[in-house]
Amino acid sequence: DAGVTQSPTHLIKTRGQQVTLRCSPKSGHDTVSWYQQALGQGPQFIFQYYEEEERQRGNFPDRFSGHQFPNYSSELNVNALLLGDSALYLCASSLSGTTTDTQYFGPGTRLTVL
Amino acid sequence: GENVEQHPSTLSVQEGDSAVIKCTYSDSASNYFPWYKQELGKRPQLIIDIRSNVGEKKDQRIAVTLNKTAKHFSLHITETQPEDSAVYFCAASRGANFGNEKLTFGTGTRLTIIP
Repeated sequence: DAGVTQSPTHLIKTRGQQVTLRCSPKSGHDTVSWYQQALGQGPQFIFQYYEEEERQRGNFPDRFSGHQFPNYSSELNVNALLLGDSALYLCASSLSGTTTDTQYFGPGTRLTVL
Repeated sequence: GENVEQHPSTLSVQEGDSAVIKCTYSDSASNYFPWYKQELGKRPQLIIDIRSNVGEKKDQRIAVTLNKTAKHFSLHITETQPEDSAVYFCAASRGANFGNEKLTFGTGTRLTIIP
């Protein structure tokens, strides 16, 4: 039973570039949430995808967008990268429609913007 | 929106002693409170969670207590061991009632167990 996986592990980009991060949820899960974790901080909610649609969104600009595929995997896209976008990007998967709220995190993608 | 405050930011405890980390939340509609442990360079791992219909939950050396009236919840680790050293995050959400609501995290507590 595979857990949550993310790719790539590390990524280095320059300001103004665009980046795509990928996440595969835990087997049996249908909901993917994305979080940004700056160094020394707690994760901050970016958005959540369910049934291929964005269900909730945190306080992040439109430069952050996402997608969910029919197999429940998800992508996070960030356009016009800023230095402040450097962070660990975590995805978490869960199962909707139940009383189980548990979100399981992937290992993250470390993004460095130079 | 929800705001979660966590204290202390750092905590050093002698091996074998107990550690307590406290969090407060602002949204009275929050009803799900997980705790995550994050080791350096690793993913956050769920260690225990509690829902608002329960006042206390225990799993071996780890326990969580919830006071809904005061809007605070605490993590208790007894008989601490060196492998308990990590950063611990509390979080809150409205939970399944609203359909897998987002988690709002505290700022973390760096726990160091002194051998």
